[in-house]
Amino acid sequence: KQEVTQIPAALSVPEGENLVLNCSFTDSAIYNLQWFRQDPGKGLTSLLLIQSSQREQTSGRLNASLDKSSGRSTLYIAASQPGDSATYLCAVSVDSNYQLIWGAGTKLIIKP
Amino acid sequence: NAGVTQTPKFQVLKTGQSMTLQCAQDMNHEYMSWYRQDPGMGLRLIHYSVGAGITDQGEVPNGYNVSRSTTEDFPLRLLSAAPSQTSVYFCASSQAGRLEYGYTFGSGTRLTVV
Repeated sequence: KQEVTQIPAALSVPEGENLVLNCSFTDSAIYNLQWFRQDPGKGLTSLLLIQSSQREQTSGRLNASLDKSSGRSTLYIAASQPGDSATYLCAVSVDSNYQLIWGAGTKLIIKP
Repeated sequence: NAGVTQTPKFQVLKTGQSMTLQCAQDMNHEYMSWYRQDPGMGLRLIHYSVGAGITDQGEVPNGYNVSRSTTEDFPLRLLSAAPSQTSVYFCASSQAGRLEYGYTFGSGTRLTVV
């Protein structure tokens, strides 16, 4: 059974620092992986999608990498800002039954 | 604005009561789904639908019913609320139910069962 783990559960860093969020999964047979952002009281916003054949994707200050063989993905945030404070979730698409498997998220706080 | 609309945003129920969480999308998406989010856990799929008249169970379907009479609407019914159903519920829609086609999420319904 596919399981997705995100460590740490919470992270607090000063503004301006570069940081890495981690996502690991137990079964390498995934179609793709996506990172989402969740703000309090809001829905989920997609950030980066990595297909199983890709190694990384970049959008602005965000870079996501994927290593299927080791069951790991990282989300790198450069030059963090207070507006980056949110919970970051990763999800994998595993097979044809449309089910996404989610990590529990990392709550990120950027201190001004 | 196009998107997924969930109502209500907050609800408190007494054990044994029933209610319907509403979800509507205006993007003509075929795929719609309901997830619940509990503290310390990832989102879990309750039910999903791949089109009007077609629904199926997800990972945690017990205690919930769904129907899909139109493309736009996908209501979630709690038959007899239990404290274990206290959670935040998200509705999501997608063109085809895969991450690569993109998912749009509603803003959630925070449900408390006392």
